[in-house]
Amino acid sequence: GEDVEQSLFLSVREGDSSVINCTYTDSSSTYLYWYKQEPGAGLQLLTYIFSNMDMKQDQRLTVLLNKKDKHLSLRIADTQTGDSAIYFCAEIRNTGRRALTFGSGTRLQVQP
Amino acid sequence: GAVVSQHPSWVICKSGTSVKIECRSLDFQATTMFWYRQFPKQSLMLMATSNEGSKATYEQGVEKDKFLINHASLTLSTLTVTSAHPEDSSFYICSASMGETQYFGPGTRLLVL
Repeated sequence: GEDVEQSLFLSVREGDSSVINCTYTDSSSTYLYWYKQEPGAGLQLLTYIFSNMDMKQDQRLTVLLNKKDKHLSLRIADTQTGDSAIYFCAEIRNTGRRALTFGSGTRLQVQP
Repeated sequence: GAVVSQHPSWVICKSGTSVKIECRSLDFQATTMFWYRQFPKQSLMLMATSNEGSKATYEQGVEKDKFLINHASLTLSTLTVTSAHPEDSSFYICSASMGETQYFGPGTRLLVL
């Protein structure tokens, strides 16, 4: 499809792991990104992965990339209430421009 | 490092007036900056790509005469919403490229009465 797709909502209990999934569109995308947006704020870059990698871990964050299925996931270990936010995956499509194309965003709600 | 600021953070204006929003990369130089628009509970939509020293590239459906973009230096891009109308009310976010990464400003909320 043409859209970067994400599920809209995820609810987890504090201390559990969260997994946010994304399906992107351009198999030639070189980099794929995860951003976090808190209410009324801009976007905070969480992590990104180069397309020749399958996995990247950064503290509580683990990114998995399945190029064959164009599937990207973000796992947050030991989820905290401060992790409640909207999470966007994004790709840079091979169009000559370097702008990001965003998914619809997944709202993560962490229950205490 | 890699901090991007926007000013103002919010603005309320009357219909018909023009509003200028500044986007600055504070600790790095950015030859390319991007302007996005975000409606409530929606994702970011690219409006235009701002290149230092040249004309901006607008996305389809974005009126270049209404949304004037100037990228006069490697650390500053401005977006001017001309003759603003209530339908222009939105959250405007800029980003600046450093290598393969884009860093975003905190956004500017515009309300046109």
